[in-house]
Order: sequence, then C-alpha cells, then structure tokens
Amino acid sequence: AQSVTQLGSHVSVSEGALVLLRCNYSSSVPPYLFWYVQYPNQGLQLLLKYTSAATLVKGINGFEAEFKKSETSFHLTKPSAHMSDAAEYFCAVSLRRSNQFYFGTGTSLTVIP
Amino acid sequence: GAGVSQTPSNKVTEKGKYVELRCDPISGHTALYWYRQSLGQGPEFLIYFQGTGAADDSGLPNDRFFAVRPEGSVSTLKIQRTERGDSAVYLCASSQSGGASDTQYFGPGTRLTVL
Repeated sequence: AQSVTQLGSHVSVSEGALVLLRCNYSSSVPPYLFWYVQYPNQGLQLLLKYTSAATLVKGINGFEAEFKKSETSFHLTKPSAHMSDAAEYFCAVSLRRSNQFYFGTGTSLTVIP
Repeated sequence: GAGVSQTPSNKVTEKGKYVELRCDPISGHTALYWYRQSLGQGPEFLIYFQGTGAADDSGLPNDRFFAVRPEGSVSTLKIQRTERGDSAVYLCASSQSGGASDTQYFGPGTRLTVL
C-alpha cells in the first residue's frame, strides 16, 4: 500500500522566514511526487513535481523540493515566506503504472506579519 | 484558457435524495478524475476515466456512487440515496493523457452537504 505522511498539520512562520513543509512517502519503488497548493475557495494548483529527472525540483512562487530516496522524503521549502503563501499544501504520490494519486492530509501554512 | 469547472459549487440535499455533480474538464484532456475531500483530509481518489470509459473505479465507496463520461468530455458523478457521511467536497481533475507523471488540473470543487 502506498501512503503519504505530512508531518505537522499546521505550520506558522514569520514573514521573510524559511518555509519547510515535510512530506514522507512509503513505496516499494520510487514514485512520482507532487506538491499542490490550495487557496481558500480555489482548486488545487500544482507547485512542482518530481518525475525522476533532477532530484532538486524548482516550482512556482519560489518554492522548491528535493527528492531524497534514502529518506523517502520530498520536503517543500521556500527561503523567504510571503504573506501570500498562506494556504493549504498537499503532497501527493503516484506510481509508474497506476493512475491513482495518493494525497497527504495537508499542512496549513500561516504567515505571521 | 479555461480551466476545469464544476457545478454546482454548493449542493445541499436531504438524506435519501439523489444528486448529480458535474465536471467540465480542460478541452482536449483525455483523462478525468474524481476525488472526495473530507474536512481536514487530503483528496481521496474515487474514479478515473480515460476517454469515455472508467479505467479505474476502485475508489468508489459503494454502489450508491456512479460516474459517467458519455462523450469523453463532461463527466457526471451520481450519488443515490445520499447519507450524511457523503457530505464532503467533491473535486474533479483532468490531465492531458492520464499518465502517472502527468499534471492533474483541479476544479474548485462542489461542496455537498447532506442534512
């Protein structure tokens, strides 16, 4: 069975501080990995994805994530938080011969001015 | 261009009633997905269409749930004899070809409340 664990359902950071949102997966083979963001009353929007090319993936809005096979992790980072980053963030995995996405339970990011 | 749209945005119904939720995917996308998102949870896979056919419906919770995509574009999720536990946000997504690495584009969702 595949699963995605997001540590910390709520994360608060000060504006300008580092953002670190954690995601660990369980899979017998390296999966494809995604980070989505959900703003209030909007659909999920792709931030970035890992598809077995470079392990450090850069996404939109200054976010990036690094795939670490040895740690089965795909943590999301941003060097400097902005007020507009406040949203719900979801990590998701899919397997190479599957059409199913498995989402984590999400992390709500609050940015404190 | 236009994104994925879903109607209605909100649906309130009574226990035991029948509801239909509609999804308009991005034009040209052959793959369409339905998810259910309960409060405080991530989206949960329900069903995946490739063209007109349901390629994977393993996520449908029971036979009260059914979905169609008769012309390979618009899809309708149908729920019979609704129960209070069906209350959730139902999300639709589409992708260009349905590959595991394809980006899925999500609609804003339909919030279903069963009283």
